[in-house]
Amino acid sequence: EAAVTQSPRNKVAVTGGKVTLSCNQTNNHNNMYWYRQDTGHGLRLIHYSYGAGSTEKGDIPDGYKASRPSQENFSLILELATPSQTSVYFCASGAEQFFGPGTRLTVL
Amino acid sequence: GQQVQQSPASLVLQEGENAELQCNFSTSLNSMQWFYQRPGGSLVSLFYNPSGTKHSGRLTSTTVIKERRSSLHISSSQTTDSGTYLCAWGMSNYNVLYFGSGTKLTVEP
Repeated sequence: EAAVTQSPRNKVAVTGGKVTLSCNQTNNHNNMYWYRQDTGHGLRLIHYSYGAGSTEKGDIPDGYKASRPSQENFSLILELATPSQTSVYFCASGAEQFFGPGTRLTVL
Repeated sequence: GQQVQQSPASLVLQEGENAELQCNFSTSLNSMQWFYQRPGGSLVSLFYNPSGTKHSGRLTSTTVIKERRSSLHISSSQTTDSGTYLCAWGMSNYNVLYFGSGTKLTVEP
């Protein structure tokens, strides 16, 4: 099974600060995805990538940037974090999607 | 936008009973996937099932693409099956997934 890791696992940030969430996969998957999960909204797609150097907007990209510097790594960047971005963030990779353990982000 | 409907929203079983979870989608799709999630946990892929029937232990997934529906059958439920079951439909060449709200399953001893 695909190995997808995320860091950090927990993060507390201040409003207006910059936050970077990192994701690494070791199975050479082309496709990678960032989702957030909130009670009442389920899982929603923020950004995705189909290979190194590519990033595409998902359904809720506002306030987020993504970076795919290599096949293995896909980052989610919050340039100016807001309390509404408090959530659990999941990274996934592969056509059959395998998920990382999640990052719990709290923006105060 | 895309609509993914799961039913029931919640289900309580006694250990040993069977469960049937449903998932319906409003538009055409490329693929679908069933996941299991423990409270506070990550998503574990159960089935990646563009069409037809697949089995894994006590779990069976059946997807009928032209009818835009999929079901997950759990036989002889165990307390360790408790958690949330999510279905997701894949769109586009990059298999972007759209998720249902999930079925919360509780299996009591």
